[in-house]
Amino acid sequence: DTEVTQTPKHLVMGMTNKKSLKCEQHMGHRAMYWYKQKAKKPPELMFVYSYEKLSINESVPSRFSPECPNSSLLNLHLHALQPEDSALYLCASSQEWGNTIYFGEGSWLTVV
Amino acid sequence: AQSVTQPDIHITVSEGASLELRCNYSYGATPYLFWYVQSPGQGLQLLLKYFSGDTLVQGIKGFEAEFKRSQSSFNLRKPSVHWSDAAEYFCAVGGEAAGNKLTFGGGTRVLVKP
Repeated sequence: DTEVTQTPKHLVMGMTNKKSLKCEQHMGHRAMYWYKQKAKKPPELMFVYSYEKLSINESVPSRFSPECPNSSLLNLHLHALQPEDSALYLCASSQEWGNTIYFGEGSWLTVV
Repeated sequence: AQSVTQPDIHITVSEGASLELRCNYSYGATPYLFWYVQSPGQGLQLLLKYFSGDTLVQGIKGFEAEFKRSQSSFNLRKPSVHWSDAAEYFCAVGGEAAGNKLTFGGGTRVLVKP
């Protein structure tokens, strides 16, 4: 079973709000990822966690703050976002960093 | 730096007809190659992958892909498409030489005519 679960599926937030996206996997994967996808574009890597440590930050603005509380959970904390941050946010995981990546269904974020 | 090109932005195919999606990559070492499919409003689902070995790879939903090193290609094929195959298809390349980062192509949108 290759399942990555993301909540919420849809989120609308104002530019002054603080919200979080959550991701969970129970496959025993040790690498987890956040991607951002704009309409009609491929996913863009934001962060990589390997063994619960942040391994890659692709120069993402600090208004996005990732957190990996344990090996099964990955959060993305959102604060003071801009309308251009509206996108589909995809969580993914892999057995190890560099192995095949499995994606969740995504969280649609709209910033108003 | 690695790159992936999917030359066809859109492809329209009749239901029951064959489908081939092109993917060309640039990578300085042995590539890991993937095809993902994304239905409207959904996440990405892995169709198939190539790491090594047999260059013809079988995937889910009746898809297959062939790795051709001499042509730097990894084209995706299906003999007979179904209406449910209408989706966006992404080719991706990764590997240790790329710091284990996946690089995606721009995607090909497949429309299926009844």
